[in-house]
Formats: sequence, C-alpha cells, structure tokens
Amino acid sequence: DIQMTQSPSTLSASIGDRVTITCRASQSISSWLAWYQQKPGKAPKLLIYKASTLESGVPSRFSGSGSGTEFTLTISSLQPDDFATYYCQQYNSYHTFGQGTKLEIK
Amino acid sequence: QVQLQESGPGLVKPSETLSLTCTVSGGSISRNSDYWGWIRQPPGKGLEWIGTIYYTGKTYYNPSLKSRVTISVDTSNNQFSLRLSSVTAADTALYFCARERTRFAWFDPWGQGTLVTVSS
Repeated sequence: DIQMTQSPSTLSASIGDRVTITCRASQSISSWLAWYQQKPGKAPKLLIYKASTLESGVPSRFSGSGSGTEFTLTISSLQPDDFATYYCQQYNSYHTFGQGTKLEIK
Repeated sequence: QVQLQESGPGLVKPSETLSLTCTVSGGSISRNSDYWGWIRQPPGKGLEWIGTIYYTGKTYYNPSLKSRVTISVDTSNNQFSLRLSSVTAADTALYFCARERTRFAWFDPWGQGTLVTVSS
C-alpha cells in the first residue's frame, strides 16, 4: 500500500500570505497526484491533477509541483475563500489520500 | 455537465448491509473513458477510497474493504451502486460517489455526499 503523509496538519495564515502544503508518498508515484479543497459539509473540489496541472476554473494563485515522492501545493496570496482543508491523493496504485491539512485564519 | 447524486438509507443497523445508489445526470455512465467511484469520510476524519467500477462491470476495490464491498452498475438507469456488508460503527461516514477520469485517476466531479450512521 502507498501511504500519503501531509504536513503540516494545521496551518495558520493571514490574507495575502503565501502558503505551502507538502505531501509525501511512501514510494514513488511519478506525477500521479491530485490536490483537493474541502469545506465543512461539502464534497472535495479538484484543484490540481498530474501534480501540476491546474483544473479549469481554479484560480491561478493555486499551483502544484513535485514528482516521485515529494509534492507541494502552493497558494500564492491567500484569499478569504481559501480557508479550508486540503487533501492530496495518489493514483499511481489504487487510491490513497493524505490525512488533510486544515488552513486556518491567523 | 455531469452531476452525481447519492441516495439510500441514512441509518443502518450493525451487522446489516449498507446499500447506496449514485445517479449520474448530464452525461452517460457508459462513456468510454470514465470510471465511477465511491469514497467515504468518517465524521471529522479524512477520505478513504472504497472502490471503482467501469460501465462494463469491471471493478477495483480497496484491499482493506474488499471482502465486504460490492459495486455494481445499471447502465439503463445511469446508476451505480455500493453494498457494504457486516457494517459496524466504524463504517459511519459521509459517503461520496464521484467520476474517475480514466482508470486510476483523479476524481471530478463528486456528489454532495450522504451520511450513513450505523447504530441499533
């Protein structure tokens, strides 16, 4: 089984900040990684797939990078709507999600 | 655009079988490149993939749940379904259905989710 570990688990930041969330895979997954945003009581929303491809309609302040075992999601300038929980998902072998990173207002 | 909607009982007794259906609208469940998945999220916890089906009936299951899971497809009604047997309180979760953009890919879009509680 491929395990996905996100860090940090919780992140406090302010409007306008640049933030980075890291996702590490227990073995190489090439670029087979997606990122989602989830708000309470709602379904996850796809942000990025293939590690760095921005889903249509997602603001350009979101970006993804990495390959192999280490990946990052960066939000270049936090907006009020961005405070949510973020998950990574590997799809190299079946599917595994990270445990989530909750982005809170500082 | 494609939309998904889960339906089924919100309360299931321990040891019984959980049954949910996902209805796909705005597109055909038989589209060549699309697969269809179930994912769940226990209250306050993270996401867990349950399994995926192709319109031909080919299935892929999470090894940790495989012994209890059956996913089936009904192309005539544009639906796919989940059955999870011998449920316990640990199966209490928000259950989502979602489109998988080819075999082993990302999920988009998702249904809104349906809460299933396992309790006597």
